[in-house]
Amino acid sequence: QQQVKQSPQSLIVQKGGISIINCAYENTAFDYFPWYQQFPGKGPALLIAIRPDVSEKKEGRFTISFNKSAKQFSLHIMDSQPGDSATYFCAATAAGYALNFGKGTSLLVTP
Amino acid sequence: ETGVTQTPRHLVMGMTNKKSLKCEQHLGHNAMYWYKQSAKKPLELMFVYNFKEQTENNSVPSRFSPECPNSSHLFLHLHTLQPEDSALYLCASTPGVWGYEQYFGPGTRLTVT
Repeated sequence: QQQVKQSPQSLIVQKGGISIINCAYENTAFDYFPWYQQFPGKGPALLIAIRPDVSEKKEGRFTISFNKSAKQFSLHIMDSQPGDSATYFCAATAAGYALNFGKGTSLLVTP
Repeated sequence: ETGVTQTPRHLVMGMTNKKSLKCEQHLGHNAMYWYKQSAKKPLELMFVYNFKEQTENNSVPSRFSPECPNSSHLFLHLHTLQPEDSALYLCASTPGVWGYEQYFGPGTRLTVT
């Protein structure tokens, strides 16, 4: 049973646009929601993370929006750049044990 | 070397071969993980080790055999694999098994012929 559902599977955005990736979860025990970025030939790397006691976290051009009542969270990439082209994974965990990953979103930012 | 390293980066093996994947972390962490990454599927947690002790075996077939001789090294021994085992195998580490941020290696791309 997939614990974290991610959409869309792929996304094409023009340079300068906003990329939005969404995730939903069911387990209310989850208390940490990270996003990972993976480039071809590399392992996933932590991009940004949020805990459920805040509704938004921003780091540079990357923002996580969190809706606890809807059990949804999303990643927004502002002013998307070709260098942001990668696969993005959302994840969730309860008490930091065993991350549950979404299926990933392949983002392509066109020049 | 820094971070988490994995060798080999690519491996092609027949169904009757025996091979091993190696992971080494240079971060001073105490917990290490094996994940399987297949196309269009979520990363699948396979094994978790905390202070060299296995704390999780996520219903992984016995043809995959992990070994953790110390907190810095993790191996995945492979034997009589199936073509569906072809995937990217990722190693990760955290300061402790309850550590939130996982640091991943680059993975080993395994092809079973």
